[in-house]
Amino acid sequence: ETGVTQSPTHLIKTRGQQVTLRCSSQSGHNTVSWYQQALGQGPQFIFQYYREEENGRGNFPPRFSGLQFPNYSSELNVNALELDDSALYLCASSLENTGELFFGEGSRLTVL
Amino acid sequence: QQQVKQSPQSLIVQKGGISIINCAYENTAFDYFPWYQQFPGKGPALLIAIRPDVSEKKEGRFTISFNKSAKQFSLHIMDSQPGDSATYFCAANTGGFKTIFGAGTRLFVKA
Repeated sequence: ETGVTQSPTHLIKTRGQQVTLRCSSQSGHNTVSWYQQALGQGPQFIFQYYREEENGRGNFPPRFSGLQFPNYSSELNVNALELDDSALYLCASSLENTGELFFGEGSRLTVL
Repeated sequence: QQQVKQSPQSLIVQKGGISIINCAYENTAFDYFPWYQQFPGKGPALLIAIRPDVSEKKEGRFTISFNKSAKQFSLHIMDSQPGDSATYFCAANTGGFKTIFGAGTRLFVKA
């Protein structure tokens, strides 16, 4: 059984740039959620995708967007990067309607 | 109403002691209460979880106590070991959607 994998693991961008983060969900999982974890804080829900549709969003602006593909993998896109976007971005997969999240190791984004 | 409040922020326990972390919630629609363990440089991993129809769940050295009327739940780690040193997050969600996390507790177990 393959776990959740994320890429890249680390990246550095400058303010105003755009970034795409990728996630492969655990085998058999059809739901993907993205979280932002600032240093020393708990993960904050960005959005969730189920069957290629966004089915819920946290308190994040529209410059945070995503996609889910037919194989259930997913992308998180952030446009017009701001310094405060520096964080660990976590992808979690799950089965529909279950609360058990399986996290990847995250992509650490630094915005200079 | 969507918040999950966690305490303490940090905790130091002697090896063999009991670690206790507490959480409180407001939203009575929450129906799943997991605890996650996170080591530095890693993503959170599910440790143990409970649903509100039971008051306690035990898995090995880890126990969740749940008080529905007080809207509180806690994690007890018995016989704490240095390998348990990590950050612990309580969380809550409804129907598997939008898990809300607490701010985390950094646990250090002294050898």
